[in-house]
Amino acid sequence: AQSVTQLGSHVSVSEGALVLLRCNYSSSVPPYLFWYVQYPNQGLQLLLKYTTGATLVKGINGFEAEFKKSETSFHLTKPSAHMSDAAEYFCAVTNTGGFKTIFGAGTRLFVKA
Amino acid sequence: DGGITQSPKYLFRKEGQNVTLSCEQNLNHDAMYWYRQDPGQGLRLIYYSQIVNDFQKGDIAEGYSVSREKKESFPLTVTSAQKNPTAFYLCASSIGGPSNTEAFFGQGTRLTVV
Repeated sequence: AQSVTQLGSHVSVSEGALVLLRCNYSSSVPPYLFWYVQYPNQGLQLLLKYTTGATLVKGINGFEAEFKKSETSFHLTKPSAHMSDAAEYFCAVTNTGGFKTIFGAGTRLFVKA
Repeated sequence: DGGITQSPKYLFRKEGQNVTLSCEQNLNHDAMYWYRQDPGQGLRLIYYSQIVNDFQKGDIAEGYSVSREKKESFPLTVTSAQKNPTAFYLCASSIGGPSNTEAFFGQGTRLTVV
């Protein structure tokens, strides 16, 4: 069975600091991996996705993530945090031929001035 | 503009009442989904539909029902059998099965039992 674990329900960084949100997955077949962002009382918006090919994936708003098969990880990073990055972030996984997307529990990012 | 519209944004329900949450999309997507979101639990799948007139239970379907009579519409009914319905409900759609295609989400409906 597939699963997603996001380490840390809350992460706090200072404005301008590196953002690192951790995601580990389990899947018996090659996964497709996604990061979504959710602002308060809104739906989710896709940040980036990994399907095949290059393992370093760039997304919107300066975010990127690297698929590391050996570590079963797909951590999300951004070199310099902005106040507008404060939101909740969800990692998600599906697999080839699968239909259900499994979401992690989410990590809330706080950005301090 | 293409997108997914959920209504209402806020909904209050009395104990023992059924309520229906609306979800409409104009993205021409075949697949549609309903998720429930509770603090600290991420998103849990209630029902999904791969095509018109067909739908399947997700992980937490008890106390919920859906219909898919039109491609654009996938309403969710929260019945009185749902013991703890207070939550944020999200509707989503995708081109086909989720596989390598992302889901597009509505703005959500916050349901509160009073």
